Amino acid sequence: DVKVTQSSRYLVKRTGEKVFLECVQDMDHENMFWYRQDPGLGLRLIYFSYDVKMKEKGDIPEGYSVSREKKERFSLILESASTNQTSMYLCASSSQEAGGDEQYFGPGTRLTVT
Amino acid sequence: GEDVEQSLFLSVREGDSSVINCTYTDSSSTYLYWYKQEPGAGLQLLTYIFSNMDMKQDQRLTVLLNKKDKHLSLRIADTQTGDSAIYFCAESLPGGGADGLTFGKGTHLIIQP
Repeated sequence: DVKVTQSSRYLVKRTGEKVFLECVQDMDHENMFWYRQDPGLGLRLIYFSYDVKMKEKGDIPEGYSVSREKKERFSLILESASTNQTSMYLCASSSQEAGGDEQYFGPGTRLTVT
Repeated sequence: GEDVEQSLFLSVREGDSSVINCTYTDSSSTYLYWYKQEPGAGLQLLTYIFSNMDMKQDQRLTVLLNKKDKHLSLRIADTQTGDSAIYFCAESLPGGGADGLTFGKGTHLIIQP
């Protein structure tokens, strides 16, 4: 079974802090994604990566950056956390093999910025 | 542009069938997905259907796809309390999934005893 893990389930940070959210997948997937989930807004794509050291902006990249130094690991960075970044953050991965684009999700990190 | 629409809430009685509906706008969708999110958890893939199919059944789950109307539905037979969750419809477009799926806002399924 595909396993996607996220470094923390819950995180509380102060405004202005630099925050790192880590995601690791164990299925050798090429694609990795970061979403945020907010009530009434569903999932919104922040950044994605289709290869090591490659990154692409999603729908809402402002205030975030990412790093993909190794295939299995995709990090989301909040350079200077703000209260409007309080949210649930979901990481996902998928394979580039033909037959389906289904994404496999981690359990999520609930981030609170005070 | 692509957009996926779902109702925000659905309430059903335990034992009844639940039907969760979804509409999408991009006719070039290749795969359509249903994900389930239980409280405090990530999204779990429930089932998916390829765009050249019109029906897929898997135990209590039936997916119906009407390409002409761009309408997707998920039917859960004999709804149980464990089915209480948020259900997300999602589509992928030609070119593969490297640039992500487009998700609906999710339907909260509420089970009444």
